[in-house]
Amino acid sequence: DIVMTQSPDSVAVSLGERATINCKSSQSVLNSSNNKNYLAWYQQKPGQPPRLLIFWASTRESGVPDRFIGSGSGTDFTLTISSLQAEDVAVYYCQQYSGTKTFGQGTKVEIK
Amino acid sequence: EVQLVESGGGLVQPGGSLRLSCAASGFTFSDYWMSWVRQAPGKGLEWVANSKRDGSERYYVVSVKGRFSISRDNAKNSLYLQMNSLSVEDTAVYFCARDGPGGVLDIWGQGTMVTVSS
Repeated sequence: DIVMTQSPDSVAVSLGERATINCKSSQSVLNSSNNKNYLAWYQQKPGQPPRLLIFWASTRESGVPDRFIGSGSGTDFTLTISSLQAEDVAVYYCQQYSGTKTFGQGTKVEIK
Repeated sequence: EVQLVESGGGLVQPGGSLRLSCAASGFTFSDYWMSWVRQAPGKGLEWVANSKRDGSERYYVVSVKGRFSISRDNAKNSLYLQMNSLSVEDTAVYFCARDGPGGVLDIWGQGTMVTVSS
C-alpha cells in the first residue's frame, strides 16, 4: 500500500497569515494515462465527519473558499491556506486514491 | 439534499459481531461505489472497505479481510458492513462515504460509534 506522510504534525499560524501543510506519498499517485494526481485533501473539525476540500491534487470542491489551494504532483503535495480564518482551525488529512485508499496521519492547524 | 446516515453501532464484546447500515438519499445510489472509513478515538482516518456499484466487486483493508463483509441493497439505497470476530482494535467511529470522481470520498455520513470491550 502507498504510505502517506504529512508534515508538520501541527502548525500554529496567526489570523490572516499563510498556513502550509505538506504531504508525501511513498510512490507516485500520478496516473500517466490521464495525467491526473489521485490526491485529495480533507478538513475535519471536532465531532464532525471529514469534509472534502481538494481533489485531483488541485481542484477545489464546490463551496470551498478559494483561500484553500492544493498543489504538487507525483509524490509531493501541498495544501496552502492563504489567509487563515478562525473557522479553519481543524485537522487536515491528505489521501491518495490511486489504489487502496490511504490517508496521511493528519495535521492540526491552530491559531497562534 | 445528498445525505448518508449510519446506524447500528454500539457496545460489543471481543469476538462478537455487529452489522452497520448506511441509508443514502438525494442521489442515485446505484451509480456510485461506496466506502466505509473508520477513526479510532483520537486517531486518524483509515479506509476499511468499498463496494462497486452493483456489489460485484468488494475491496478491504488487510486488517479486516476475512472478518468484515461489505454489501449493499440498491433497491433500498443502503450500504452495510457486517463485522465479525471483533477485537478492541476495531473500536472506532465508522463513517459511510460516497466514492466520487476517480474514487475520492466526496460525501460522508456523521458516523456511528463501535466500542469493543469486555
